[in-house]
Amino acid sequence: AQSVTQLDSQVPVFEEAPVELRCNYSSSVSVYLFWYVQYPNQGLQLLLKYLSGSTLVKGINGFEAEFNKSQTSFHLRKPSVHISDTAEYFCAVNSGGFKTIFGAGTRLFVKA
Amino acid sequence: DAGVIQSPRHEVTEMGQEVTLRCKPISGHNSLFWYRQTMMRGLELLIYFNNNVPIDDSGMPEDRFSAKMPNASFSTLKIQPSEPRDSAVYFCASKPQGGNTGELFFGEGSRLTVL
Repeated sequence: AQSVTQLDSQVPVFEEAPVELRCNYSSSVSVYLFWYVQYPNQGLQLLLKYLSGSTLVKGINGFEAEFNKSQTSFHLRKPSVHISDTAEYFCAVNSGGFKTIFGAGTRLFVKA
Repeated sequence: DAGVIQSPRHEVTEMGQEVTLRCKPISGHNSLFWYRQTMMRGLELLIYFNNNVPIDDSGMPEDRFSAKMPNASFSTLKIQPSEPRDSAVYFCASKPQGGNTGELFFGEGSRLTVL
């Protein structure tokens, strides 16, 4: 069975500071990994994904994530955040089938 | 291109009433998913369809919940009778043919409040 653990439920950070949102997963097979972002009163949209190849994945809005197989992690990073990055971020895993499993979400709050 | 379209965006109803939520997936997508989002339980998969056929409904909480997909461009999620604990945001998502990479395209959700 697969599972996803987002280690922080809330992350407050000042504008222009760097941020890391942590995600660990468990799976007995190879996985595809995703980060989605949800802005207030909107649906989830894809931020970036790891399918294979380079372990460093770049996404939209300056975000990137690194797949670490030995640590079963897929942490999301941004070197300098903006107020507009305030949102909820979801890590998700899929092993190639129909089901995508989502983490509980991390609420990023960027302060001026 | 139009994304996944859900209606209504907001629904307020009284306990015991029937609620029907609607979803139009992206054209050409052959997998459709219904999720429920609450503060307490996060994002839960209720049911998913592939080529209009329900594949797994193990996430449907009770017999009060039912979902249909009569054709490739329309799905409904029905709650009858509704209860206050059904209050949540319900999301529909779709995935394209051969999209085994798992990327989902979400609608904007239907916020249900049951009084």
